[in-house]
Amino acid sequence: AQTVTQSQPEMSVQEAETVTLSCTYDTSESDYYLFWYKQPPSRQMILVIRQEAYKQQNATENRFSVNFQKAAKSFSLKISDSQLGDAAMYFCAYRSWRGGSEKLVFGKGTKLTVNP
Amino acid sequence: DGGITQSPKYLFRKEGQNVTLSCEQNLNHDAMYWYRQDPGQGLRLIYYSQIVNDFQKGDIAEGYSVSREKKESFPLTVTSAQKNPTAFYLCASSSYGGETQYFGPGTRLLVL
Repeated sequence: AQTVTQSQPEMSVQEAETVTLSCTYDTSESDYYLFWYKQPPSRQMILVIRQEAYKQQNATENRFSVNFQKAAKSFSLKISDSQLGDAAMYFCAYRSWRGGSEKLVFGKGTKLTVNP
Repeated sequence: DGGITQSPKYLFRKEGQNVTLSCEQNLNHDAMYWYRQDPGQGLRLIYYSQIVNDFQKGDIAEGYSVSREKKESFPLTVTSAQKNPTAFYLCASSSYGGETQYFGPGTRLLVL
């Protein structure tokens, strides 16, 4: 079974600085998807960024980018120019590539605090 | 606006009572999911449905039941058999075979 590990329960960053959140996963599959979701105090899960395992290029969405190391099974999220609105829980998630509808396997999350 | 709605926002359950959480989507998605979130934990899958009138158990289905009579709706019933129901419940949907799941705002269930 696949597992996702987020080793940093809490992180903090100064406004306008850069922070990197870590995620590692365990799988025997070669094709899969990886995600970062943000959960602000409202508790709604919001998709931040997505990475297909077959793509070597790291995904980027505005101030958010990932460092995907397939061999190391590592998928870190970098937030540049941090803003107060970035404060939230961040969850890393894995999804099998298999056809149909597959569940997401989540890590336990990292709480990000942004200091003004 | 397209999206996923969940109701109620807060729900209180008495001992021995069944309660039903609503999830509706107007994204024309085929697949729908129910997840449970406990403090300090990630989300865990309860049930999912890929098409109308069909659904499968997830990792923690015991004490829960679902139905999928309409494409837009996937209600979750927390039965009296679920001994520790206090949690935050999130509904999600995706297109069939679509890799990205989109989430509703959630329902907080508390036991009186």
